[in-house]
Amino acid sequence: GAVVSQHPSRVICKSGTSVKIECRSLDFQATTMFWYRQFPKQSLMLMATSNEGSKATYEQGVEKDKFLINHASLTLSTLTVTSAHPEDSSFYICSASDEGFSYEQYFGPGTRLTVT
Amino acid sequence: KQEVTQIPAALSVPEGENLVLNCSFTDSAIYNLQWFRQDPGKGLTSLLLIQSSQREQTSGRLNASLDKSSGRSTLYIAASQPGDSATYLCVPEGNTPLVFGKGTRLSVIA
Repeated sequence: GAVVSQHPSRVICKSGTSVKIECRSLDFQATTMFWYRQFPKQSLMLMATSNEGSKATYEQGVEKDKFLINHASLTLSTLTVTSAHPEDSSFYICSASDEGFSYEQYFGPGTRLTVT
Repeated sequence: KQEVTQIPAALSVPEGENLVLNCSFTDSAIYNLQWFRQDPGKGLTSLLLIQSSQREQTSGRLNASLDKSSGRSTLYIAASQPGDSATYLCVPEGNTPLVFGKGTRLSVIA
């Protein structure tokens, strides 16, 4: 089946620094990728929809200047958390949509971000 | 390793019917279980979250139950509508990374 990878799987950074998370579709081309965030014991929430070659669409309440998304190719989307703060500590997960198979989404393993 | 199975894989019903979607998971050591809907080309929309200490949650026409010890959850949709047509995913959360099932693709026919 289709595989989506994320890198890094875990990252610890100091407050005020920026962190980049990569999401790759390994064996298919993904026109659309989705970024989610999950706080401990809470629901997975959609942050933004990333379309290759165009600007991402952000969900209400998600700061686009803080969470920079770049989808420069059909196999790679990146999420950069800028000027990270402890409240940004969360589990970030991406999914990629293979539109050739009825838009089924394939999920990456997630990235655990801890901001100290 | 957590494994999630959703039955049926696809379901087509006439409008107005009540229906049940089933989810089973192999590792019962979970904190909670979430049900999502996925529309074509869209991100997941959270429907219900059941904490491990709860047995069910209700939101409008949706009712989700959880039997943690047997590794089962069901999503009950009352009086189905064409707008309910989507893929429904259940996602148990525990110490292991999130595992997503294949989902149940629901079509409600007017």
